[in-house]
Amino acid sequence: QSVLTQPPSASGTPGQRVTISCSGSSSNIGSNYVYWYQHLPGTAPKLLIYRNNQRPSGVPDRFSGSKSGTSASLAISGLRSEDEADYYCAAWDDSLSVVFGGGTKLTVL
Amino acid sequence: EVQVLESGGGLVQPGGSLRLSCAASGFTFSTYAMSWVRQAPGKGLEWVSAISDRGGSTYYADSVKGQFTISRDNSQNTLYLQMNSLRAEDTAVYYCAKDSVGVPTGAFDYWGQGTLVTVSS
Repeated sequence: QSVLTQPPSASGTPGQRVTISCSGSSSNIGSNYVYWYQHLPGTAPKLLIYRNNQRPSGVPDRFSGSKSGTSASLAISGLRSEDEADYYCAAWDDSLSVVFGGGTKLTVL
Repeated sequence: EVQVLESGGGLVQPGGSLRLSCAASGFTFSTYAMSWVRQAPGKGLEWVSAISDRGGSTYYADSVKGQFTISRDNSQNTLYLQMNSLRAEDTAVYYCAKDSVGVPTGAFDYWGQGTLVTVSS
């Protein structure tokens, strides 16, 4: 059971907008930044969003992040087939640990 | 170019020990916190342990506290994870991840390709 809660799956058709939610608590999302990662099987995870809503250089602006209270969301607009991957949220927890969500498998139909 | 390269994984019997290494290059290793993150077969990412930039502070997931020890050698740009009393549930791909600042935050901007640890008799 992960500390951060994500839906196990999400899906959309090419060109659609999809959102993935991440729910936590006051000790993690509520008081610290949220990060989002994209993970393709057999590869290194990739940082997509840092500090709630910032994109590293090279990440398309189709990806956006937001945070409100103890929840956060990742939105992907203009969905493309190459976006099919597992997505994880993460945050520092005041119990002195990094916590991850259980991951959301995104399928592009 | 920033690179982190894990090594040391393999097959080990239950109760055995293993030491993972992570060789870093392309950045000033001593100014960033580092972490180990694992992914068990069919499961999600799980943070395992972190160490601050100079090694003065270490952090562990409850699932490995007292069992694993993280350390670093800034003169050799290398991160380590000593794993003792290994159990089947420790079977996973172990990733080395660079944090974006000197203390752990979860902002892992560079990851290695991972090294597989299999605990089985």
